[in-house]
Amino acid sequence: QKEVEQNSGPLSVPEGAIASLNCTYSDRGSQSFFWYRQYSGKSPELIMSIYSNGDKEDGRFTAQLNKASQYVSLLIRDSQPSDSATYLCAALGPSYGKLTFGQGTILTVHP
Amino acid sequence: SAVISQKPSRDICQRGTSLTIQCQVDSQVTMMFWYRQQPGQSLTLIATANQGSEATYESGFVIDKFPISRPNLTFSTLTVSNMSPEDSSIYLCSVVENTEAFFGQGTRLTVV
Repeated sequence: QKEVEQNSGPLSVPEGAIASLNCTYSDRGSQSFFWYRQYSGKSPELIMSIYSNGDKEDGRFTAQLNKASQYVSLLIRDSQPSDSATYLCAALGPSYGKLTFGQGTILTVHP
Repeated sequence: SAVISQKPSRDICQRGTSLTIQCQVDSQVTMMFWYRQQPGQSLTLIATANQGSEATYESGFVIDKFPISRPNLTFSTLTVSNMSPEDSSIYLCSVVENTEAFFGQGTRLTVV
């Protein structure tokens, strides 16, 4: 079983729609969770972090965490073509600083 | 947030040679992390570099293939030794600050 697993892609949504990205993790000791966006040929860019159960909103992005279900999600409202990228979910485990990444979900927002 | 300078940004190398990747951080950090991203794959942790001690390698990665130096709290190098085409990947260094991880720009390595 993968430690961090993301919903299989690729995901395609029309411009202006809501994109929903999901992630589950197996290590209950994981402390913090992150969503990274990675454009082709570039390094990952942190877009959201979440540490507590519930929702966290930042502009068009909302991260949701449910530790009981070991589930993390990212919602992108009013999706734009510039949001087209690979989104990586990552969990920060008990071992300080060690990130475990999901396999990534490719998102395409079409005009 | 931490600023990480990583170089080279890309290189094309002959098989059998070695490449050393450098990462410089603008603040002192206890641990630095090296990741590999193979084509079409996610990031995999290679090792954790601590200042003043041997690096800690993840399963599947060995010191002879990926020697790491950590001479001070702001700098680290990763060497990819005796390269083969299978080593063609993006290599990234990372630091954690206030429980958030930040990455260098990455080194895109192609082995021919």
